[in-house]
Amino acid sequence: DAKTTQPPSMDCAEGRAANLPCNHSTISGNEYVYWYRQIHSQGPQYIIHGLKNNETNEMASLIITEDRKSSTLILPHATLRDTAVYYCIVRVRVEGGGKLIFGQGTELSVKP
Amino acid sequence: NAGVTQTPKFRVLKTGQSMTLLCAQDMNHEYMYWYRQDPGMGLRLIHYSVGEGTTAKGEVPDGYNVSRLKKQNFLLGLESAAPSQTSVYFCASSYSPRGNRSPLHFGNGTRLTVT
Repeated sequence: DAKTTQPPSMDCAEGRAANLPCNHSTISGNEYVYWYRQIHSQGPQYIIHGLKNNETNEMASLIITEDRKSSTLILPHATLRDTAVYYCIVRVRVEGGGKLIFGQGTELSVKP
Repeated sequence: NAGVTQTPKFRVLKTGQSMTLLCAQDMNHEYMYWYRQDPGMGLRLIHYSVGEGTTAKGEVPDGYNVSRLKKQNFLLGLESAAPSQTSVYFCASSYSPRGNRSPLHFGNGTRLTVT
């Protein structure tokens, strides 16, 4: 299974862009990169996912390098409510739909 | 549309007792999953199901059993609870005819303490 590496913690000023990096150097060609976040002890919340191209939705943007060995999640205007643990996950394509293997994540603190 | 609902939200068991955690989803998803979350360990997959009547083992299946008798429900059973099973349990579901393209939607967890 492809593994991901994320910094354990990051700080960001409120209103600024938060850029969360992730390394996934062993990713296979048909494996997707997913991002989730978890606020306090709630269930993980889906943010965005992508395969090769950059993706954007109402929550965030995902930038994937051309060699697909790393990616960056961008929260364009971080708010205090974005304080959470962010997980970068490579979605393993196995028979049965592709499991999510969670790593340790990055604890993002958005500060006033 | 409630999404993924887990019951109960909290439970305390004594060692050796049994219980069943219920997960229900109203999104007509094919795939359902059970995870556990422990401090410093991230989320670990216990069992998953690719459809009604089917189940498969994940990373940490020992001590748990599951059943998927109805498409919308996925049950996680502990036959003889142990303190090592103290954890927060999350259920998730996804719809994907093509494997890994659809997001998982999570419930808000069941906090289980085994004394």
